[in-house]
Amino acid sequence: ETGVTQSPTHLIKTRGQQVTLRCSSQSGHNTVSWYQQALGQGPQFIFQYYREEENGRGNFPPRFSGLQFPNYSSELNVNALELDDSALYLCASSLFNREYGYTFGSGTRLTVV
Amino acid sequence: AQKVTQAQTEISVVEKEDVTLDCVYETRDTTYYLFWYKQPPSGELVFLIRRNSFDEQNEISGRYSWNFQKSTSSFNFTITASQVVDSAVYFCALSSTGNQFYFGTGTSLTVIP
Repeated sequence: ETGVTQSPTHLIKTRGQQVTLRCSSQSGHNTVSWYQQALGQGPQFIFQYYREEENGRGNFPPRFSGLQFPNYSSELNVNALELDDSALYLCASSLFNREYGYTFGSGTRLTVV
Repeated sequence: AQKVTQAQTEISVVEKEDVTLDCVYETRDTTYYLFWYKQPPSGELVFLIRRNSFDEQNEISGRYSWNFQKSTSSFNFTITASQVVDSAVYFCALSSTGNQFYFGTGTSLTVIP
């Protein structure tokens, strides 16, 4: 059983650029959630995808968007990057509407300069 | 509103000492779930325990134990006979909707050999 894999591991972007982060969910899971973890903080919920549609969104602006594909993998896109977007982005997969059984990936460390 | 408070930012203990990590939560929901996660330097969040709001039984798993008290809205985590491998950041989290976790700011535990 494979876990959640995220790519790339690290990324450096310039302010104003766009970035795409990728996540492959654990086998058998149909739901993907994305979290942003700033340095020294707890993860903050960005959004969740189920059946290729957004199923809940946290307090993040529209320039944060996502996709889920038929194989349940997912992308997080961030447009017009700002310095404050520098963070660890964590992806978690699960079965729909289950509070347990979340599997987190190791994250993508994004640095915006 | 959902909120999790981990007042202890950093804790250092000498190996073999016991240590308790505090977690206080706020929610108006009657059904909710509480979690503890461990985050090693590699970044992934490792699931430790889940409790639902109707089960106040304390739980012990090896050197780990958890004390859930609804009367004080607390869900504390104790490590007995700490080891160097326990060094990590520990997060307490709350979920009641099934699609979003609310994390505390984490407690960084350092176990000194």
